[in-house]
Amino acid sequence: EAQVTQNPRYLITVTGKKLTVTCSQNMNHEYMSWYRQDPGLGLRQIYYSMNVEVTDKGDVPEGYKVSRKEKRNFPLILESPSPNQTSLYFCASSPSGIGGGSSYNEQFFGPGTRLTVL
Amino acid sequence: AQSVSQHNHHVILSEAASLELGCNYSYGGTVNLFWYVQYPGQHLQLLLKYFSGDPLVKGIKGFEAEFIKSKFSFNLRKPSVQWSDTAEYFCAVNRAGGSYIPTFGRGTSLIVHP
Repeated sequence: EAQVTQNPRYLITVTGKKLTVTCSQNMNHEYMSWYRQDPGLGLRQIYYSMNVEVTDKGDVPEGYKVSRKEKRNFPLILESPSPNQTSLYFCASSPSGIGGGSSYNEQFFGPGTRLTVL
Repeated sequence: AQSVSQHNHHVILSEAASLELGCNYSYGGTVNLFWYVQYPGQHLQLLLKYFSGDPLVKGIKGFEAEFIKSKFSFNLRKPSVQWSDTAEYFCAVNRAGGSYIPTFGRGTSLIVHP
């Protein structure tokens, strides 16, 4: 089944304890991205990746890191989580992120990771 | 920078009522437009999209949206809502061509009473 998977789905942690949220897609998509969803603010993009080893900042990158060493995986890293990073996080992928004609491709979203930082 | 406005943050309807959710964007160039739906406890799914051709786009579950270029709008409609349409709805916009950086609206929460 074509899908985007995220782990863990729920995580409660404490301030300053490094954590990684994994994201994997099995659709051979080039483009992947991370969003956070907060009440009243909708979806805000954290980081995105056009392809392997190509990543760039979205609207709210502060406090986050990403890497794209393989096409299928795009982990989100919080080196020193803080309470303001408590949120619902979504990973998404899309068939192509480069060049004209690709921007009409829909994004496929993972199930979400609910993170609480105490 | 482009922005997306969804005017209705919360909408409450009874079953069989008609629905229209507003979406306006700020970018003046060619755009591609999307509506996503997020059912309670689930991830976002595509409802419909527009990138060229007929400005009236039909999506899944009886939804449709009309792109009005002169008004920078892409409003979502459904003639008769059902209780199962209770969800959060997001409008999203990409600039056509070039880098792929979508902008999402803040979302509209729809509650349909049976």
